[in-house]
Amino acid sequence: NAGVTQTPKFQVLKTGQSMTLQCAQDMNHEYMSWYRQDPGMGLRLIHYSVGAGITDQGEVPNGYNVSRSTTEDFPLRLLSAAPSQTSVYFCASQRNSGANVLTFGAGSRLTVL
Amino acid sequence: KQEVTQIPAALSVPEGENLVLNCSFTDSAIYNLQWFRQDPGKGLTSLLLIQSSQREQTSGRLNASLDKSSGRSTLYIAASQPGDSATYLCAVKRPPPGKLIFGQGTTLQVKP
Repeated sequence: NAGVTQTPKFQVLKTGQSMTLQCAQDMNHEYMSWYRQDPGMGLRLIHYSVGAGITDQGEVPNGYNVSRSTTEDFPLRLLSAAPSQTSVYFCASQRNSGANVLTFGAGSRLTVL
Repeated sequence: KQEVTQIPAALSVPEGENLVLNCSFTDSAIYNLQWFRQDPGKGLTSLLLIQSSQREQTSGRLNASLDKSSGRSTLYIAASQPGDSATYLCAVKRPPPGKLIFGQGTTLQVKP
């Protein structure tokens, strides 16, 4: 009964480096999303997916790529990290786009130097 | 564009006090509104969800109200306890396939 699992929990990068934040859910949810949380700004939607093979942009997609090759996994890629991407990242899943209940992962804290 | 605002950003109260957290939104065309709790270093946990046709929802010591016409929701916490210390976020959802728009959160500290 793992729910939504995010790895890593903490990561420090240098400007220009690339990395992938992993997100996996075991609830057979169709809809998955990535948010970033910055002080005083709440959570902002980066990218989301309504099912395997389908992704779309949220409010703040620039600098991030996603893919959804399986129902379970929704990785978030930073191709060339920038200090502005220092944030806490949350992955969430829900049964489908109309569902009300979201399950959040514990978060990944990323620092870009 | 929907904007969600929570005031105050932080609140400190003595244990046992009843308190109200505020959430306001600019567009009344919402599908639902949710209140979440976030503990330090953790993800978000849903507390209460109010559908657009509802006026309030209750769960234990928590009561959330919704007034779409004025673009406001309140979360009432009765007889606050130190264990209630956390950040509380509200989020509105547009009609399907709508996305959630979050407020900035109110960080609550309940002192013993």
